[in-house]
Amino acid sequence: AQSVTQPDIHITVSEGASLELRCNYSYGATPYLFWYVQSPGQGLQLLLKYFSGDTLVQGIKGFEAEFKRSQSSFNLRKPSVHWSDAAEYFCAVVRYNNNDMRFGAGTRLTVKP
Amino acid sequence: DAGVIQSPRHEVTEMGQEVTLRCKPISGHNSLFWYRQTMMRGLELLIYFNNNVPIDDSGMPEDRFSAKMPNASFSTLKIQPSEPRDSAVYFCASSRVETQYFGPGTRLLVL
Repeated sequence: AQSVTQPDIHITVSEGASLELRCNYSYGATPYLFWYVQSPGQGLQLLLKYFSGDTLVQGIKGFEAEFKRSQSSFNLRKPSVHWSDAAEYFCAVVRYNNNDMRFGAGTRLTVKP
Repeated sequence: DAGVIQSPRHEVTEMGQEVTLRCKPISGHNSLFWYRQTMMRGLELLIYFNNNVPIDDSGMPEDRFSAKMPNASFSTLKIQPSEPRDSAVYFCASSRVETQYFGPGTRLLVL
């Protein structure tokens, strides 16, 4: 079965510290990969996406993600977290030539002052 | 670009009442998606349309739920009759190719 796994339900980091949010997927082939962020009471905002090419992709708000085919992973990173980054983060995948987007359960990020 | 527009943003209704949620996709997008988000089940795809035609409604919970897309710029999700377990945030998203853009959501509370 196709699935997206975000192993960490909740992560707490100090402001200024680095961040890595994990995402693993299981699909037959390389899907299209996305990270979205959801602030409280808001919709989902696209942070970045990977379709092909360079496996390190840059997104908005200083985020980046690296696709590792051998590990079926697409982890999100940020070198220095800001208090405004506190939110819920969702990894999502879409199979090639298919509109069906599957989401992970989300990782809630808390930022300590 | 105004983004995906949803109305109402909040809805409180009583059990048994009909609820209609509305969505205006981004102009030029040919796919539209309805999702439901709850604490217990996370984000669930209810139904999606391609060029105004429903493609996959396997996520629609039961016959009380129905969705329409009469034209490229408007879609509705209707719940009739509503039940307390329908309380959730309902999101609409649209896309032109693979990337979906989400609206702000409608927070529904059924008492």
